[in-house]
Amino acid sequence: SQTIHQWPATLVQPVGSPLSLECTVEGTSNPNLYWYRQAAGRGLQLLFYSVGIGQISSEVPQNLSASRPQDRQFILSSKKLLLSDSGFYLCAWSYDTEAFFGQGTRLTVV
Amino acid sequence: GESVGLHLPTLSVQEGDNSIINCAYSNSASDYFIWYKQESGKGPQFIIDIRSNMDKRQGQRVTVLLNKTVKHLSLQIAATQPGDSAVYFCAETSNAGGTSYGKLKFGQGTILTVHP
Repeated sequence: SQTIHQWPATLVQPVGSPLSLECTVEGTSNPNLYWYRQAAGRGLQLLFYSVGIGQISSEVPQNLSASRPQDRQFILSSKKLLLSDSGFYLCAWSYDTEAFFGQGTRLTVV
Repeated sequence: GESVGLHLPTLSVQEGDNSIINCAYSNSASDYFIWYKQESGKGPQFIIDIRSNMDKRQGQRVTVLLNKTVKHLSLQIAATQPGDSAVYFCAETSNAGGTSYGKLKFGQGTILTVHP
């Protein structure tokens, strides 16, 4: 069966520090991978989308970047965090239709 | 873009009532739709899906209705329970290119609160 792992679950980082969130998928190959952000009480905002290794589509201009160094690994990064980067970050994968989500990372930038 | 900046609509019901959550989708080419439930602090979980060649699909206590004419999707929850309290999102996608489905686009979400 397929599983998705996302870590860490919570993270507190100072403004200006770098960020690296990692997501890995097991039990499937060549999935579509997504990074979403969710502000408190808000909907899901699609940040990045990937259909394959090294293929990244950015949905909104921002302070973040994404990379897919391996088929089932998706990384969200920032060189210098801003206060506005705080939020709940969700990784997801889909193969054909249905998307499956990780448990999310609660990022607080202080 | 997505619903950033917008407060989510809310629906409050009494335990045992039926709930109806609505969603308007944007892409007339979308041919697959999904409802997700998100509990506080967790990732969204699949509830039920429907393809565009159907207008209704039933699951256990849930029914999804699709009206392609007005691009409207609804989720009906029968005999709503306190455990149903969560945020509910609809999502749409298509394989208009004839290959695999592309990215999911999510609706803004609705907060459902069930009072005992």
